[in-house]
Amino acid sequence: AQSVTQLGSHVSVSEGALVLLRCNYSSSVPPYLFWYVQYPNQGLQLLLKYTTGATLVKGINGFEAEFKKSETSFHLTKPSAHMSDAAEYFCAVRRLDSNYQLIWGAGTKLIIKP
Amino acid sequence: DAGVIQSPRHEVTEMGQEVTLRCKPISGHNSLFWYRQTMMRGLELLIYFNNNVPIDDSGMPEDRFSAKMPNASFSTLKIQRTQQEDSAVYLCASSLDPVPLETQYFGPGTRLLVL
Repeated sequence: AQSVTQLGSHVSVSEGALVLLRCNYSSSVPPYLFWYVQYPNQGLQLLLKYTTGATLVKGINGFEAEFKKSETSFHLTKPSAHMSDAAEYFCAVRRLDSNYQLIWGAGTKLIIKP
Repeated sequence: DAGVIQSPRHEVTEMGQEVTLRCKPISGHNSLFWYRQTMMRGLELLIYFNNNVPIDDSGMPEDRFSAKMPNASFSTLKIQRTQQEDSAVYLCASSLDPVPLETQYFGPGTRLLVL
């Protein structure tokens, strides 16, 4: 069965430091991959997605992610963290047997230290 | 442009009561999703509508849960005989076809607390 694993329920970085949020998936074929962000008391917002083509995907707010098939990973990075990046981040993969269902990771709460 | 609108934002009810949650999708979107979000189970898809027709309701937990989409601009999720385990954030999302290539746009959610 397909799955999505996000390493670390909480990640803490200092303002200005590199942000790295890890996501690994299991899939027999290259999947569609997504990162969403959820700010407190708000809904989810798409940061970026990978469908086909270039494996380095740039998203909003300075985030990017790289699809690595050999590592079955889709880690999210940002060179320099801002206080406004504090939120929960969700990785998701499309279910191979569905054209609308996503399998969601458990989420990683990003904490920014001043 | 207005995003997905959900009401109420917060709902507190007593066990056994009925609640109705409302969602207005983004104009022009023809796919609508209801999700439940809890700490224990994460994000769960409850039901998916396409062009106002329920396509997949396999995620609806029990007969106590029902959803309707009478027109392209309105959907409801009703929970009857509420139980404490129904406490969660209920998120509505909409998108253009074809999913999932098209982005799902989420509303702010309804936080339901069942006492």
